[in-house]
Amino acid sequence: GQNIDQPTEMTATEGAIVQINCTYQTSGFNGLFWYQQHAGEAPTFLSYNVLDGLEEKGRFSSFLSRSKGYSYLLLKELQMKDSASYLCAPMDSNYQLIWGAGTKLIIKP
Amino acid sequence: TAGITQAPTSQILAAGRSMTLRCTQDMRHNAMYWYRQDLGLGLRLIHYSNTAGTTGKGEVPDGYSVSRANTDDFPLTLASAVPSQTSVYFCASRETSAHTDTQYFGPGTRLTVL
Repeated sequence: GQNIDQPTEMTATEGAIVQINCTYQTSGFNGLFWYQQHAGEAPTFLSYNVLDGLEEKGRFSSFLSRSKGYSYLLLKELQMKDSASYLCAPMDSNYQLIWGAGTKLIIKP
Repeated sequence: TAGITQAPTSQILAAGRSMTLRCTQDMRHNAMYWYRQDLGLGLRLIHYSNTAGTTGKGEVPDGYSVSRANTDDFPLTLASAVPSQTSVYFCASRETSAHTDTQYFGPGTRLTVL
């Protein structure tokens, strides 16, 4: 079957670094996406990894290991506005996104 | 650019009534999707359309129907609503190119079925 596993909730301090892990099992693989979703809003695209390694985009970086079925999202210099849910979503062989329940990130001053 | 719009923003519907959720995009994306999002669960795909004139069933299609008469519009219809269809519904479209593959989401419709 298809399965996504990520922590339900994490807490971090403003200015710090946090890593959100995601493990996945899918029928086929065509890349992995990370989305940010603030409460009451739509998901917004953060990153897309199709090859192994680290993709850096400003304060956010995303890592992929296809052989391990593993990805992480790294957020640096945390700001209060980063308080949101972070959704891990691999794309299966039918090019459909398989969504995890998301990790709620709470930033404390 | 408007991107993706959805209507209505929210709705309270009596069980047994029908309703159509509207979705329009102005980005000329071929693929479009309807998801529902329930507390504690990931987004679940209801129906999708890879291009105008075609549709397909997702993970939770029962009780819903879609049509794709043109590139821009992808309405979702509930023929006879039931309380378990209370959810937040998101429409999305997919942009693909040699360098990107991204789904963009509309603002969502919050539906309550009583």
